[in-house]
Amino acid sequence: DAKTTQPTSMDCAEGRAANLPCNHSTISGNEYVYWYRQIHSQGPQYIIHGLKNNETNEMASLIITEDRKSSTLILPHATLRDTAVYYCIVRVTEGGATNKLIFGTGTLLAVQP
Amino acid sequence: DGGITQSPKYLFRKEGQNVTLSCEQNLNHDAMYWYRQDPGQGLRLIYYSQIVNDFQKGDIAEGYSVSREKKESFPLTVTSAQKNPTAFYLCASSALTGGSTEAFFGQGTRLTVV
Repeated sequence: DAKTTQPTSMDCAEGRAANLPCNHSTISGNEYVYWYRQIHSQGPQYIIHGLKNNETNEMASLIITEDRKSSTLILPHATLRDTAVYYCIVRVTEGGATNKLIFGTGTLLAVQP
Repeated sequence: DGGITQSPKYLFRKEGQNVTLSCEQNLNHDAMYWYRQDPGQGLRLIYYSQIVNDFQKGDIAEGYSVSREKKESFPLTVTSAQKNPTAFYLCASSALTGGSTEAFFGQGTRLTVV
């Protein structure tokens, strides 16, 4: 199984970009990288995912290195409501079928006023 | 509204009793998952299912059981064999289309065993 490692915590000033790194050095060619966030005592919320190319949506951007061994989630203008635990996940496959999601350690992002 | 629903939000049980947590989805998703979260920690996979009447153990299946009799439902039973059942339990579902689909999570059930 591909595993992910993330820093335990990070701070970011309100209005600035938050850059959250993730290492997934054992990822295989057909595995996607997903990002979720979890606000205290709620279910995780999907943010973005990608395979090889960089991706952008209304919430964030995802930058994946060329060797796919790491990625960075970028929140372009962090607000206080972005304070949450951010999880980087690799979608694991077995027997050709997509199945379980293995969560990493998560990064607690604290956005400071 | 489409979504995934867990009930109840809070559950209290006496030690030694089995308890079943409900998870229902109307997203027509094939895959469903159960996770456990302890305070200050990440999510750990208990069980998952890709199709009706089939499921696989995750990393911490001991002391838990599941069933998947209907596509929409994936109940989790916490048995008396589970040593430390007090935790936050999260259910999720996703489509199965080769990896490029996100999972949707319920709002969780907080189980307290006294």
